Amino acid sequence: DIQMTQSPSSLSASVGDRVTITCRASQGISNYLAWFQQKPGKAPKSLIYAASSLQSGVPSKFSGSGSGTDFTLTISSLQPEDFATYYCQQYNSYPQLTFGGGTKVEIK
Amino acid sequence: QVTLRESGPALVKPTQTLTLTCTFSGFSLSTSGMCVSWIRQPPGKALEWLALIDWDDDKYYSTSLKTRLTISKDTSKNQVVLTMTNMDPVDTATYYCARHTGDTAMAIDYWGQGTLVTVSS
Repeated sequence: DIQMTQSPSSLSASVGDRVTITCRASQGISNYLAWFQQKPGKAPKSLIYAASSLQSGVPSKFSGSGSGTDFTLTISSLQPEDFATYYCQQYNSYPQLTFGGGTKVEIK
Repeated sequence: QVTLRESGPALVKPTQTLTLTCTFSGFSLSTSGMCVSWIRQPPGKALEWLALIDWDDDKYYSTSLKTRLTISKDTSKNQVVLTMTNMDPVDTATYYCARHTGDTAMAIDYWGQGTLVTVSS
């Protein structure tokens, strides 16, 4: 199985900060990577697919990049509604999907 | 408007079989490229993919849980059903269904709200 490792596992940031989260795959997955946002007690929300394509309705402050084994999610200017846990997921081995362990973004 | 909603028991006893239903609207699971997955999340832990069924009725399971899982669909009712046998307290989790579509390169685009299942005697 392909393993997905996110770093950091948590971070503290201030409103207005630029935040970058990293996701690494245990083997190459081309660009078959998605990112999700989850707020406490809520279902995940889809943000990005194919490593860099925004899901419909997702604001452009979110961006994704990468290919192969290394990927990043960037939030250009952190807002109060962005404090959440973010997960990456690979679907190169579709339909065997695997998620990263999550990155919790907290208020500094 | 695409929506998915999970339903099922909130509490099951160890060794029992869990049956969950995902009722969806806004798309048809008979349309080429459409798929529905089940995914779970133990309290405070990460997401874990369980099973997927596609428009052609092909079924796929997590390698670690495949002996306990069965996924099926009723296209006329817009429902996908997941059964998990021999439930254990470690299976306590929120269970989500989610849609995949070829429009987003088979990535998940919509999620249900989730249903919490507690396994306890």
